Amino acid sequence: NAGVMQNPRHLVRRRGQEARLRCSPMKGHSHVYWYRQLPEEGLKFMVYLQKENIIDESGMPKERFSAEFPKEGPSILRIQQVVRGDSAAYFCASSRTGGTNEKLFFGSGTQLSVL
Amino acid sequence: DAKTTQPTSMDCAEGRAANLPCNHSTISGNEYVYWYRQIHSQGPQYIIHGLKNNETNEMASLIITEDRKSSTLILPHATLRDTAVYYCIVRVSSNDYKLSFGAGTTVTVRA
Repeated sequence: NAGVMQNPRHLVRRRGQEARLRCSPMKGHSHVYWYRQLPEEGLKFMVYLQKENIIDESGMPKERFSAEFPKEGPSILRIQQVVRGDSAAYFCASSRTGGTNEKLFFGSGTQLSVL
Repeated sequence: DAKTTQPTSMDCAEGRAANLPCNHSTISGNEYVYWYRQIHSQGPQYIIHGLKNNETNEMASLIITEDRKSSTLILPHATLRDTAVYYCIVRVSSNDYKLSFGAGTTVTVRA
């Protein structure tokens, strides 16, 4: 049973380009969470999605960032017009349900570097 | 925000048990205590979670005090590969579907 798959593992973008990060949840999981970890900082929640729905995007920057989890295919975190401050590790997690007794399983992350 | 207090760092000798404390004095009756760890540059790894009773799995044991205001994660035989940041997390309400990570405890296992 494959775990949470994120790709690419490393992504390099120049300022002003777009970054697209993909996350395939574990089999049977329909809840996806995105976190960001800036250098030398802790993990910060960004957004929580179920299939075709954004449930909580309270941690997402208001501009340039968007996320989706379509009926088919992986969840996508999209960052438009990247800036150097977007350089960070982005982690995706998934769970079977959204209950408090439900474990979240994390992927290996995408390391985004903005030149 | 995470409502837990953990020591910033601790050292442990390889082969010995590592006891990681966590205070969560404002925990409510239906809130779970979760432990995750993050080995350098990797994604967080689930360790264990519990509500009231002590729990044990292949990785660790979780001891929760009777009043639930604190807990201890026990790694029975620490190895060098257990060096990581360990996060104690309380899911703060019945609707709290996400985990809120604090600063955690940096555990260094020394040979």
